[in-house]
Amino acid sequence: DGGITQSPKYLFRKEGQNVTLSCEQNLNHDAMYWYRQDPGQGLRLIYYSQIVNDFQKGDIAEGYSVSREKKESFPLTVTSAQKNPTAFYLCASRPTGDFDMNTEAFFGQGTRLTVV
Amino acid sequence: AQKVTQAQTEISVVEKEDVTLDCVYETRDTTYYLFWYKQPPSGELVFLIRRNSFDEQNEISGRYSWNFQKSTSSFNFTITASQVVDSAVYFCALSEAWSSASKIIFGSGTRLSIRP
Repeated sequence: DGGITQSPKYLFRKEGQNVTLSCEQNLNHDAMYWYRQDPGQGLRLIYYSQIVNDFQKGDIAEGYSVSREKKESFPLTVTSAQKNPTAFYLCASRPTGDFDMNTEAFFGQGTRLTVV
Repeated sequence: AQKVTQAQTEISVVEKEDVTLDCVYETRDTTYYLFWYKQPPSGELVFLIRRNSFDEQNEISGRYSWNFQKSTSSFNFTITASQVVDSAVYFCALSEAWSSASKIIFGSGTRLSIRP
């Protein structure tokens, strides 16, 4: 079945360690996104990528890094520079053709990261 | 810059009441797209509806209806005869066609609780 897979669902790390969250999609979508959600708050855009080997910072990119070496994959690394990394992270994808611009984004099930 | 405001942080109603979730947006583009998503306790975002800026027709889908008014930059969502299963966090989102192609910005969400 087509979809977006985020792994793992729960992740625990010690403070000061970098951690990479996985996001894979088999929908053949060009655009991919990472959002952060804190308890009781909305989704804030971390990074997004419109095509392979290209990505742009979102509203809260500091302390995060991404890569887009393959169309299917958009991993997010939470670095030790991120002051408050404990949050729920959601990955999404979307087609970006001329006739697809109004298409909704499809979301993965999320990764809940806890840093202790 | 694009912005989405959901002023209602939490709403609580008794089952079978009607409830309206407000969404106000800001954009400089003349072509843009609006979305509503539902986030149940599981965390995954469920797509509900999309609307492009050229289509101001209101839409009804079962107990759900959406009112898009460009004159007031609003895209409100009404649930008629609410049910306990409607309890969730609801997000409104905006995507511009030209200024920031493919970037999707979400509001802060409205937590809806339906009491039996």
